[in-house]
Amino acid sequence: ETGVTQSPTHLIKTRGQQVTLRCSSQSGHNTVSWYQQALGQGPQFIFQYYREEENGRGNFPPRFSGLQFPNYSSELNVNALELDDSALYLCASSLVASGRDTQYFGPGTRLTVL
Amino acid sequence: QKEVEQNSGPLSVPEGAIASLNCTYSDRGSQSFFWYRQYSGKSPELIMFIYSNGDKEDGRFTAQLNKASQYVSLLIRDSQPSDSATYLCAGKNSGGSNYKLTFGKGTLLTVNP
Repeated sequence: ETGVTQSPTHLIKTRGQQVTLRCSSQSGHNTVSWYQQALGQGPQFIFQYYREEENGRGNFPPRFSGLQFPNYSSELNVNALELDDSALYLCASSLVASGRDTQYFGPGTRLTVL
Repeated sequence: QKEVEQNSGPLSVPEGAIASLNCTYSDRGSQSFFWYRQYSGKSPELIMFIYSNGDKEDGRFTAQLNKASQYVSLLIRDSQPSDSATYLCAGKNSGGSNYKLTFGKGTLLTVNP
């Protein structure tokens, strides 16, 4: 167990809806990164939050947005859901944002868009 | 596009054998590399990380890094059926403020009893 928690575990939405996924980082960690993993693929970086500020973003449209709270927990929001958004959404926490920090993943949220 | 490529697999080895998993990367700015294990339906679990050229051993696992060849590998000695999983190689760039992991697609390993 990494100490990183995510909720909900599973979620089913319909196209066009909005969804919020939540992540609690490991104790002492101030950096949270979000990844999307489609079936049969490696995780793809969505964005990272460091001390409540966005610290970089991958190649995802603006309808993917996020927040980090003072306790370093984080939310991922996706608006106007599309069928291709169906994936495992992974949150990873790390001690600091650096080139050598180790990211520890939570259990993930499985999102299905119908 | 900065990429990480893994041997596509699937890789099948008998119990007790050595499993060799390979990874190449295109971004010369990558300074650290990580191997994660992912069981079906689960999230990635960190196995090892390596920053310096050469070998790094941890129990039955050895990670190897060759920055000149832009090559990373993971050897699993005395493979066990419980090692059957998808292995993900990831690199992290040293530049800018965005310390994201760039993953390969993964290699599915099956260890046969």
